[in-house]
Amino acid sequence: EDQVTQSPEALRLQEGESSSLNCSYTVSGLRGLFWYRQDPGKGPEFLFTLYSAGEEKEKERLKATLTKKESFLHITAPKPEDSATYLCAVQAGNQAGTALIFGKGTTLSVSS
Amino acid sequence: EPEVTQTPSHQVTQMGQEVILRCVPISNHLYFYWYRQILGQKVEFLVSFYNNEISEKSEIFDDQFSVERPDGSNFTLKIRSTKLEDSAMYFCASSEPKTGMNTEAFFGQGTRLTVV
Repeated sequence: EDQVTQSPEALRLQEGESSSLNCSYTVSGLRGLFWYRQDPGKGPEFLFTLYSAGEEKEKERLKATLTKKESFLHITAPKPEDSATYLCAVQAGNQAGTALIFGKGTTLSVSS
Repeated sequence: EPEVTQTPSHQVTQMGQEVILRCVPISNHLYFYWYRQILGQKVEFLVSFYNNEISEKSEIFDDQFSVERPDGSNFTLKIRSTKLEDSAMYFCASSEPKTGMNTEAFFGQGTRLTVV
């Protein structure tokens, strides 16, 4: 069964304190791994897509990496506005448009 | 910037009533989806729709659920007879195909459905 596990469930950081969020996955035939940001009461906001092991993507203070078993979302010098829940999702199979399987997310709180 | 829009933002309905949730996907996207998120739980896939038919559905998407694209812009989710356990945030999403590559899905802001 395809699964996504994220850790930690919650993370509290001081402003400027860098850290990493983990996403472990088990999937038969990974087509892509996705990171989303979700603010309370809102829909997931797309951040990154990673397709193959070794790939890295960056956007402002965020950097996503991918291995054959897990992905990391590195947050460098976070600010309070980075506080949100970060969701990891995988897409499996051999067709475009197939379902995303989400993890439970990591809720990040950054205090000033 | 193009976005997925959903209406209403909040719907309260009595158990056993029918509800229709509406979505306008991004205009040049070809794949449409419905997901739901029960409070405090993970986002779960319900159904995907492509070329005017369901392409994939989950176990959650039983006979009480149906989807429709009534015109060139709207995409709807109907729940025929709502149950208390249908209370959740429902998200519509859309994506576009890129040959040989995955496509990221863009989500709407959701409809919070409360069944009383």
